[in-house]
Amino acid sequence: EAGVAQSPRYKIIEKRQSVAFWCNPISGHATLYWYQQILGQGPKLLIQFQNNGVVDDSQLPKDRFSAERLKGVDSTLKIQPAKLEDSAVYLCASSFRTGSYNEQFFGPGTRLTVL
Amino acid sequence: AQSVTQPDIHITVSEGASLELRCNYSYGATPYLFWYVQSPGQGLQLLLKYFSGDTLVQGIKGFEAEFKRSQSSFNLRKPSVHWSDAAEYFCAVVFMEYGNKLVFGAGTILRVKS
Repeated sequence: EAGVAQSPRYKIIEKRQSVAFWCNPISGHATLYWYQQILGQGPKLLIQFQNNGVVDDSQLPKDRFSAERLKGVDSTLKIQPAKLEDSAVYLCASSFRTGSYNEQFFGPGTRLTVL
Repeated sequence: AQSVTQPDIHITVSEGASLELRCNYSYGATPYLFWYVQSPGQGLQLLLKYFSGDTLVQGIKGFEAEFKRSQSSFNLRKPSVHWSDAAEYFCAVVFMEYGNKLVFGAGTILRVKS
């Protein structure tokens, strides 16, 4: 079974530029998560989708971050404009469904460096 | 407020020695508890989890963890460390009223010396 796919794996941009990350979850997984992992910290949930609807985006900086999950499968996370403090690894995860706990499977992440 | 604490940022052990990584949480009830491992450039891999029942949980790669309610702890152990265990380890918790939301500790970096 294929795992969670993410691209690109690495991205370097200048501050105030825009960037987008892509995630393809495990087939059949209804729930998709985006996490931000800053160096020296544990991952922090940015947004959670159930199919193509948002379940939790309470920690998403909505002035600059946006995410969508069209058709309830792939998802993109965008940052516009980027700031230095956005340098982090962005992890995508998926689970079979939400509700009572379902194991989350993580992708390899996208490492973003903002100069 | 609910929180997860991993007191040790770095730990160095000799190959073949035993290992214990600490994890404490702050919560009024028993949460769901997890340990993940992250190797450089890799995603997070689940080592083991505790929901209820036997407080000693066996996981993959020879790891185990013990839930101690009185200490609000869920420490990860391995009797004999291999060089390939060098990685970063994260304790994570699901606090039930927040649904499926995983809250991670800051992580412990394990170095293995030969």
